[in-house]
Amino acid sequence: SQQGEEDPQALSIQEGENATMNCSYKTSINNLQWYRQNSGRGLVHLILIRSNEREKHSGRLRVTLDTSKKSSSLLITASRAADTASYFCATDARNNNDMRFGAGTRLTVKP
Amino acid sequence: GAGVSQSPSNKVTEKGKDVELRCDPISGHTALYWYRQRLGQGLEFLIYFQGNSAPDKSGLPSDRFSAERTGESVSTLTIQRTQQEDSAVYLCASRYPGADGNTIYFGEGSWLTVV
Repeated sequence: SQQGEEDPQALSIQEGENATMNCSYKTSINNLQWYRQNSGRGLVHLILIRSNEREKHSGRLRVTLDTSKKSSSLLITASRAADTASYFCATDARNNNDMRFGAGTRLTVKP
Repeated sequence: GAGVSQSPSNKVTEKGKDVELRCDPISGHTALYWYRQRLGQGLEFLIYFQGNSAPDKSGLPSDRFSAERTGESVSTLTIQRTQQEDSAVYLCASRYPGADGNTIYFGEGSWLTVV
């Protein structure tokens, strides 16, 4: 079964705008990671946030984590057409080492 | 190798035939995962191997699906008597687990089409 659930399922914005994607999960976690997927092939790691962290930045990416609400958000600032991809959150549960992914948010950035 | 390697990249098979998909993880990565992704859908967990521990097979959708891994090396996912609903990309990933979590590295996937 999937652990994370992203919303929205699809997001379409203009280049230069910010894109915000959300992820909710069900069990206690060690950390949460965001991944990007182009064209239905392999996923690429973007950023990891640990359960004791609330916010993390990496370039144009900003991730927040609210463990009380079991939710995370990914913000991409000043979006570019090249950011067009699917974005997935994945959780590292405390009771095991397997990683479960959500259904993803399909982001389209129009030039 | 430098990354996770999967083969074949693409496979077209007839309904009812068996297929084998191979994954070669990053050297030294003790954890190996298989996921299935249907077109336009999310990743569906299939199976997880961690070192010499018993694998977590809880995601395998039916007894037609099985996977093996020898030690901490290559893994093979086998689908018997394929059905059209098995058409998907099968993604393999590996990582070296740590107490604070580590990045999971994905292969490029094996795209299976059952006709």
